[in-house]
Amino acid sequence: AQSVAQPEDQVNVAEGNPLTVKCTYSVSGNPYLFWYVQYPNRGLQFLLKYITGDNLVKGSYGFEAEFNKSQTSFHLKKPSALVSDSALYFCAVRDGGNEKLTFGTGTRLTIIP
Amino acid sequence: DAGVTQSPTHLIKTRGQHVTLRCSPISGHKSVSWYQQVLGQGPQFIFQYYEKEERGRGNFPDRFSARQFPNYSSELNVNALLLGDSALYLCASSSSGNQPQHFGDGTRLSIL
Repeated sequence: AQSVAQPEDQVNVAEGNPLTVKCTYSVSGNPYLFWYVQYPNRGLQFLLKYITGDNLVKGSYGFEAEFNKSQTSFHLKKPSALVSDSALYFCAVRDGGNEKLTFGTGTRLTIIP
Repeated sequence: DAGVTQSPTHLIKTRGQHVTLRCSPISGHKSVSWYQQVLGQGPQFIFQYYEKEERGRGNFPDRFSARQFPNYSSELNVNALLLGDSALYLCASSSSGNQPQHFGDGTRLSIL
């Protein structure tokens, strides 16, 4: 079985400050890890993925994530937050052998001007 | 290029009715997956289809069924609707195993 935990329902960050959205995962095989963002009344928009290779992954809109195998974590980061980053963020994992994505419960990120 | 398109965008049904939701994947994508997103939760996997064959099924009752057509578009069918089926239904497509799934904007289904 595969699972994802996003321990924070809500994260508030001042504009211009660095942000981190936390994610830990559990999977039996090789983890494929993803971050998605959801704006109101929209579907999920892909931000970045880790399949293999460098533990630091860079994605869209200046976001990056660090894969840590020993801590089974895949935290999302951005050096300088923008008000437009305010949205709902989902971490997802799949076992490399199938396409079923398992999502966390989401973290609502609010950037304060 | 067009993204994943879903229709209709909104739908209101009553208990006991059935519904068909439609999805057109990104051109060239052969894999289509369906997810249910209840308000305040993350999406839950329902089905995955690849080349018209079911490749995965989530923990949903038999009232839920799906199929994929030769042009890779897909339909999700739900019979005997319950109030608890009210949710945003998301379709996602992908091109191959290492590529991410790309999502449509969903169909919001409300059951009265």
